[in-house]
Amino acid sequence: DVVMTQSPLSLPVTLGQPASISCSSSQSLVHSDGNTYLNWFQQRPGQSPRRLIYKVSNRDSGVPDRFSGSGSGTDFTLKISRVEAEDVGVYYCMQGTHWPRTFGQGTKVEIK
Amino acid sequence: QMRLVESGGGLVKSGGSLRLSCEVSGFTFSDYHMNWIRQAPGKGLEWLSYISSSGSLIYYADSVKGRFTISRDNAQNSLYLQMNSLRAEDTAVYYCARDGKWSGAFDVWGQGTMVTVSS
Repeated sequence: DVVMTQSPLSLPVTLGQPASISCSSSQSLVHSDGNTYLNWFQQRPGQSPRRLIYKVSNRDSGVPDRFSGSGSGTDFTLKISRVEAEDVGVYYCMQGTHWPRTFGQGTKVEIK
Repeated sequence: QMRLVESGGGLVKSGGSLRLSCEVSGFTFSDYHMNWIRQAPGKGLEWLSYISSSGSLIYYADSVKGRFTISRDNAQNSLYLQMNSLRAEDTAVYYCARDGKWSGAFDVWGQGTMVTVSS
């Protein structure tokens, strides 16, 4: 199975400041179709997960543009340009290139 | 508005069975591949199973292979997960999630249903 490793696992941030979460995979996530199926999810306290980013860098509908995704191959990053209070929660990366689909451990974002 | 509503969770004894349902609305269910994902209390997300739009292709995680069975009824707009031989470690919130047609995995999620397996 492809192991997804996130860092840091805990991220205290100051409101209005940037934040960055890294995700690395144990194998390349480039699919034979040429796409890279790396997604990012946000889970606010007490809520279901919500997808933010698909195929590395594409924002889902309704996702604020302060969220951005980048990376290639085995190394990926989720950035929040200016953290807001509503961004508190756990963020997960997930790969859909290989079966079984696997998630990272999650990164808990909290306000300092 | 797209909605996925899970039901069927509850308290069951170790070795017992449960059948979860996920009723969808707001989109053409038969056009989309679907998944079950779970989250143990205080833990991360674990993908469990996938079924293609027609039901012809199915995948399972090793942790549930041989014990859980995914199925769907496109006429009823419903997804199912039959869970047998339940263990304490199956205790979790179970989510159904849709795969986007072009965007890939898990673009829409349900609210989840809690399954508690007592030993």
